[in-house]
Amino acid sequence: GDSVTQTEGPVTVSESESLIINCTYSATSIAYPNLFWYVRYPGEGLQLLLKVITAGQKGSSRGFEATYNKETTSFHLQKASVQESDSAVYYCALGRRNTGGLSGKLTFGEGTQVTVIS
Amino acid sequence: EAAVTQSPRNKVAVTGGKVTLSCNQTNNHNNMYWYRQDTGHGLRLIHYSYGAGSTEKGDIPDGYKASRPSQENFSLILELATPSQTSVYFCASGGQGASAETLYFGSGTRLTVL
Repeated sequence: GDSVTQTEGPVTVSESESLIINCTYSATSIAYPNLFWYVRYPGEGLQLLLKVITAGQKGSSRGFEATYNKETTSFHLQKASVQESDSAVYYCALGRRNTGGLSGKLTFGEGTQVTVIS
Repeated sequence: EAAVTQSPRNKVAVTGGKVTLSCNQTNNHNNMYWYRQDTGHGLRLIHYSYGAGSTEKGDIPDGYKASRPSQENFSLILELATPSQTSVYFCASGGQGASAETLYFGSGTRLTVL
């Protein structure tokens, strides 16, 4: 089946430093799945951070970027300069092929806890 | 603002007892989902629904039932709770078509089965 592996947490980063969270995937149900980063801030539910549906393209949101690399089956999340408000759990995910088309039946990584310290 | 509300936030249950986790969404989405997350695992899909009156099995449905009595409400039911069902449970709603993979999650229910 499909699987997602991401940087094991917890990760601690100093404010204004750079952050990279690695994500690699294995997709057996679909050759080029849609890829996502979700984020869960303390006390809140997961929310979509960014998505990329075309191999080779880059997505960006809130200063974060991720590039869909089909050769290395990777979708690493990066930010050049983090802030304390970026402290959260980050989840990489992929969409699956379904007979009915796109759906919310996603395959998630285990999440990476990131703490930004001042 | 889209909203998904789960209740209770925390629950302690005894082995063999019945547990009902509730979820309400005000997004008017047809699709709703129940996931659980355990240490060392990503979120795993338990049950989902494409609309009122429908429920479908996800990847790990054993030991769980689901109920979708209305567009807004989706419940997860543990008829005979076991310690292995201790976990954090997330409910989500989602649209259709191109936006189907954009999910809106509740803040989770932490369930402990003793």
